[in-house]
Amino acid sequence: AQSVAQPEDQVNVAEGNPLTVKCTYSVSGNPYLFWYVQYPNRGLQFLLKYITGDNLVKGSYGFEAEFNKSQTSFHLKKPSALVSDSALYFCAVRRTDSWGKLQFGAGTQVVVTP
Amino acid sequence: EAGVTQFPSHSVIEKGQTVTLRCDPISGHDNLYWYRRVMGKEIKFLLHFVKESKQDESGMPNNRFLAERTGGTYSTLKVQPAELEDSGVYFCASSPSGREQFFGPGTRLTVL
Repeated sequence: AQSVAQPEDQVNVAEGNPLTVKCTYSVSGNPYLFWYVQYPNRGLQFLLKYITGDNLVKGSYGFEAEFNKSQTSFHLKKPSALVSDSALYFCAVRRTDSWGKLQFGAGTQVVVTP
Repeated sequence: EAGVTQFPSHSVIEKGQTVTLRCDPISGHDNLYWYRRVMGKEIKFLLHFVKESKQDESGMPNNRFLAERTGGTYSTLKVQPAELEDSGVYFCASSPSGREQFFGPGTRLTVL
């Protein structure tokens, strides 16, 4: 069965420190991988995606993610976190033979303290 | 360019009542998706329209849920009759190609 795992319900980090949000997946084939962020009282906003090519993907707001095929992981990273990065982060995968149906992880709440 | 809009932003209804959620996709996007997040769990796919046709409705939980997209523009998702377990946040997304999806702000449904 396909699954997307975000093993941490919450990640706490001090402002200025590096931020990592973990995601692993179990999907057949070579899926497309995405990160979305939800700020309070807002909808999901697209951060970045991996389709093919370079394993390090750069996205919005200084975020990047590293695709690791052998470990089936797609961890989100930011070198220096900001208080404004506090939000709910979702990892999602899409099978290449689907019509765009996304499968999401349960989400990770990021709390950045001043 | 306007993004995906959803109405209402919040709906509170009693068990057994009917609720209709609306989604207006980005103009020109043929693909429209409905998802929902229940009780802080993962966001789950409900269904996918391509223009006015249902491409995939494998995620619809039961026959109390009815989605339409007349004319291939806006879409509605009706829940009739609503049950307590239907409470959650319902997201709509649209896409021109199915690769990148643009999400609306969601409708928070509370069934009492």
